Amino acid sequence: GESVGLHLPTLSVQEGDNSIINCAYSNSASDYFIWYKQESGKGPQFIIDIRSNMDKRQGQRVTVLLNKTVKHLSLQIAATQPGDSAVYFCAEDLRGGGADGLTFGKGTHLIIQP
Amino acid sequence: IAGITQAPTSQILAAGRRMTLRCTQDMRHNAMYWYRQDLGLGLRLIHYSNTAGTTGKGEVPDGYSVSRANTDDFPLTLASAVPSQTSVYFCASSDWASGNYNEQFFGPGTRLTVL
Repeated sequence: GESVGLHLPTLSVQEGDNSIINCAYSNSASDYFIWYKQESGKGPQFIIDIRSNMDKRQGQRVTVLLNKTVKHLSLQIAATQPGDSAVYFCAEDLRGGGADGLTFGKGTHLIIQP
Repeated sequence: IAGITQAPTSQILAAGRRMTLRCTQDMRHNAMYWYRQDLGLGLRLIHYSNTAGTTGKGEVPDGYSVSRANTDDFPLTLASAVPSQTSVYFCASSDWASGNYNEQFFGPGTRLTVL
């Protein structure tokens, strides 16, 4: 079965509010955890990654938190904009070796309401 | 060409037919990947290639084959298509040599329907 899963399939937030997308993982051996964004009709786009020895990493308007105790990953998007509407996938380097591909979760659809 | 291109954009195929999905990148990335995306199942890795001349099996390789004769091209072949291979196929690449393998660059996808 899927090692990486998501708590909610759809998340609806008001424009300007902060969004939090959650993800559970089961493989403690993964070296990296990654977030991708997929807009309708397009391929996924890398957002941010975090190494397993870190708890938090910040990017532009996004923050990823990693809680290894409960095997939980989250993506926080500050001041959401209409362009943030997309499906968000968490992924992990489950296979090891880095270049051997990623294992993706099923995705959360983020809807931004005006 | 900029980034990754895939061809065809979409295809309807009769079961039992052979089909090759094309993927070309111009970023000189050494690692390339094929994923399939089905509704409710996310993306699943079919095959990957760390560098030209080498390939490996992903999570769902059965019924698919790949080749990597050069850095830029990574075609995916369905030898005898079956309806369960109806899906959207994404090709991706990453700059493994620089350590940025988590940042995969995806193509626009090929929507394949097998009847």
